[in-house]
Amino acid sequence: AQSVTQPDIHITVSEGASLELRCNYSYGATPYLFWYVQSPGQGLQLLLKYFSGDTLVQGIKGFEAEFKRSQSSFNLRKPSVHWSDAAEYFCAVGPPTSGTYKYIFGTGTRLKVLA
Amino acid sequence: GAGVSQTPSNKVTEKGKYVELRCDPISGHTALYWYRQSLGQGPEFLIYFQGTGAADDSGLPNDRFFAVRPEGSVSTLKIQRTERGDSAVYLCASSKGLNNEQFFGPGTRLTVL
Repeated sequence: AQSVTQPDIHITVSEGASLELRCNYSYGATPYLFWYVQSPGQGLQLLLKYFSGDTLVQGIKGFEAEFKRSQSSFNLRKPSVHWSDAAEYFCAVGPPTSGTYKYIFGTGTRLKVLA
Repeated sequence: GAGVSQTPSNKVTEKGKYVELRCDPISGHTALYWYRQSLGQGPEFLIYFQGTGAADDSGLPNDRFFAVRPEGSVSTLKIQRTERGDSAVYLCASSKGLNNEQFFGPGTRLTVL
């Protein structure tokens, strides 16, 4: 069955520290992979996506993610976290294998940033 | 330009009632998605429209849920005989097409008493 696992429900880091949010997936074929951020009172916003090609992808707000096929992972990283990065982060896979257009989201990781 | 809008922002209803949730996508976006997000969970796919037709409704939980997009723009999610378990935030997203970036609306928070 297709699934996305974000093993860390909560993560706390100090401002200026590096960040890595984990995402593992189970999918029948090579998936399309996404990271979204959801800030309080805001809608979900796409940070970055991977479809094919270079396995290290750059996104907005200084985020990057690396696709590792052998580990079925797509971890999100940022070298230096800012207080404004405090939010909830969702990894997602999709879109279709034949006959489906379903995107599957993980349960999210809530990031807290200490001043 | 205007983003995806959803109305109402909050809806409180009683068990057994009928509700309609509306989504206005970004102009020109042919793809439209509905998701449901329960507390502490990620968005759960409900249905995908390409134009006027529902290309994939496999995420609708049961036949109490129905969605339409008659003119290929605005969409309405309809829930009959609401149950307390339907309480959640219902999200709408639109995109230029499949595999393009989805732009999410702010959601409608549905509370069934």
